[in-house]
Amino acid sequence: SAVISQKPSRDICQRGTSLTIQCQVDSQVTMMFWYRQQPGQSLTLIATANQGSEATYESGFVIDKFPISRPNLTFSTLTVSNMSPEDSSIYLCSVVGGSGDIQYFGAGTRLSVL
Amino acid sequence: QKEVEQNSGPLSVPEGAIASLNCTYSDRGSQSFFWYRQYSGKSPELIMFIYSNGDKEDGRFTAQLNKASQYVSLLIRDSQPSDSATYLCAPGGSGGSNYKLTFGKGTLLTVNP
Repeated sequence: SAVISQKPSRDICQRGTSLTIQCQVDSQVTMMFWYRQQPGQSLTLIATANQGSEATYESGFVIDKFPISRPNLTFSTLTVSNMSPEDSSIYLCSVVGGSGDIQYFGAGTRLSVL
Repeated sequence: QKEVEQNSGPLSVPEGAIASLNCTYSDRGSQSFFWYRQYSGKSPELIMFIYSNGDKEDGRFTAQLNKASQYVSLLIRDSQPSDSATYLCAPGGSGGSNYKLTFGKGTLLTVNP
């Protein structure tokens, strides 16, 4: 499986600011995704990061709030914009690479918004 | 709205026993099914995947799939305290969305020494 590095691992941010989370993979992957896991909840897909084009967002998530970049097949960023305490969650990137559709997760970014 | 239902638990079993985790899903078009294990404060780790009806065994883990009943389960034999974690069921989407996983809320398993 691919080695996925996610930065930062955690951060504490002030209301109204933005945070950019990076996801770096050690090999080219076909698919990259961003998930959110709110406290005590399961994972919810935010969007599919598309290489060289705009991300595909799931219902309830919009580009203005969660802009995503994917400049190449090994790297993606998720920005959480204009943060509020409700954005306090764990944000995870995942990848699908090689054959099949097995999805692997990065270690996650634990975000707290004050 | 796709739904994935799991017993939230906690499911408590003694060491050495069989733990049985169940999951039902609403999307009849799902073709791939995944079980992830998530330790507290950690990211999900893939345990098993299954595509065809029937059983699939890997070491102490057995996944069972019944597409007609829209039911998938995970059996853990000879449960160990290190198996204590939340287990997440995640069917893939249907059609061209098979990569889009819908996660259940998870079942918290506790294995007592």
